[in-house]
Amino acid sequence: KQEVTQIPAALSVPEGENLVLNCSFTDSAIYNLQWFRQDPGKGLTSLLLIQSSQREQTSGRLNASLDKSSGRSTLYIAASQPGDSATYLCAPKGAQKLVFGQGTRLTINP
Amino acid sequence: DTAVSQTPKYLVTQMGNDKSIKCEQNLGHDTMYWYKQDSKKFLKIMFSYNNKELIINETVPNRFSPKSPDKAHLNLHINSLELGDSAVYFCASSQVLAGLYEQYFGPGTRLTVT
Repeated sequence: KQEVTQIPAALSVPEGENLVLNCSFTDSAIYNLQWFRQDPGKGLTSLLLIQSSQREQTSGRLNASLDKSSGRSTLYIAASQPGDSATYLCAPKGAQKLVFGQGTRLTINP
Repeated sequence: DTAVSQTPKYLVTQMGNDKSIKCEQNLGHDTMYWYKQDSKKFLKIMFSYNNKELIINETVPNRFSPKSPDKAHLNLHINSLELGDSAVYFCASSQVLAGLYEQYFGPGTRLTVT
């Protein structure tokens, strides 16, 4: 059974800092891994999807890495902005379904 | 231009009632999902349909019954609502495109059972 852990649970940093969010998963037999952001009271927005054969994926100021064999993924956010404040969720996909971590609640202070 | 839409956005009802949540996607995807996000913010899959066929049915009480009239719609009907059913329910869809399986989520339906 896949279990996903995200560390830290919450993070507060000043604007402009670069930061890393961590995700670990117990079953390395995955097809891909998605990173989402969830704003309070809103749905999930897909940020990045990394295929199991890929090591990295980039979109703007976001960079996600995947080390499937060790069951780890990181989301790097460069030059953070107050608008980046949200909960970030990682979700590896097995044969049929996504399994979500509990998320990292990120606050960027102006 | 909403990709995945859900109605209603909020639903407040009493214990014992029966209610439905509707979901529609205009992305042309062939797979749709229902997820439940509880008060602790854990997001867990409930059901998945591919081309109107049920492919995932997690350990969900049989008071919950999904129905897919066509590929673009997946509705969730809940009988005899209980306090513990209070949660946010998300619909999602995906397409097996080049093996990506990227999922797109709706805005959620906040169900409150009193």
